[in-house]
Amino acid sequence: DIQMTQSPSSLSASVGDRVTITCRAGQSISSYLNWYQQKPGKAPKLLIYAASNLQRGVPSRFSGRGSGADFTLTISSLQPEDFATYYCQQNYNTPITFGQGTRLEIK
Amino acid sequence: QVQLQESGPGLVKPSQTLSLTCTVSGGSISSGSHYWSWIRQPAGKGLEWIGRIYTSGSANYNPSLKSRVTISGDTSKNQFSLKLSSVTAADTAVYYCARDFRAADNNWFDSWGQGTLVTVSS
Repeated sequence: DIQMTQSPSSLSASVGDRVTITCRAGQSISSYLNWYQQKPGKAPKLLIYAASNLQRGVPSRFSGRGSGADFTLTISSLQPEDFATYYCQQNYNTPITFGQGTRLEIK
Repeated sequence: QVQLQESGPGLVKPSQTLSLTCTVSGGSISSGSHYWSWIRQPAGKGLEWIGRIYTSGSANYNPSLKSRVTISGDTSKNQFSLKLSSVTAADTAVYYCARDFRAADNNWFDSWGQGTLVTVSS
């Protein structure tokens, strides 16, 4: 199984801040990396697919970068609705695996 | 826009089989080239991929659950189903069904059901 490690596990930030979450794969996964946002009691929502492509309807303040084993999700200017948990996910091979999540909290 | 809805018992006894169904609307499970997956999340924990079915009916499973899992599809009802046998308390989780959208040799979960909580308890 490909292990996905996110950092940090939790993060406190303020509205308007720029934040970056990192995801590292246990091996090279090319660009087979997706990002999701999950709010309490809700299903995850796709934000970024194939490492850097913004899902339709997702605000442009979200962006993704990386290839190989190291990836980042950046929110350029935090909005109140962005406080949630974020997961990366690899689909380079099965079993599909997710990072442990990064909880983004209001400072 | 495709929508997915999970259904099934919310309480299952230990050693029994958990059975859930995902009903898809706004798209057909037998068209396109997508996978249809099951994913679970224990309370307060992360996401675990259980397995998926392809439009052809072939399936892939997470090796950690493979001996206990069966995923199947019913194209006449536009549904796909999960069966997990010999459940224990460790299988208590919110279970999601999701479309694993395929494009250009890549795929991602673009549509999810709302999730259904399954508790394993006597």
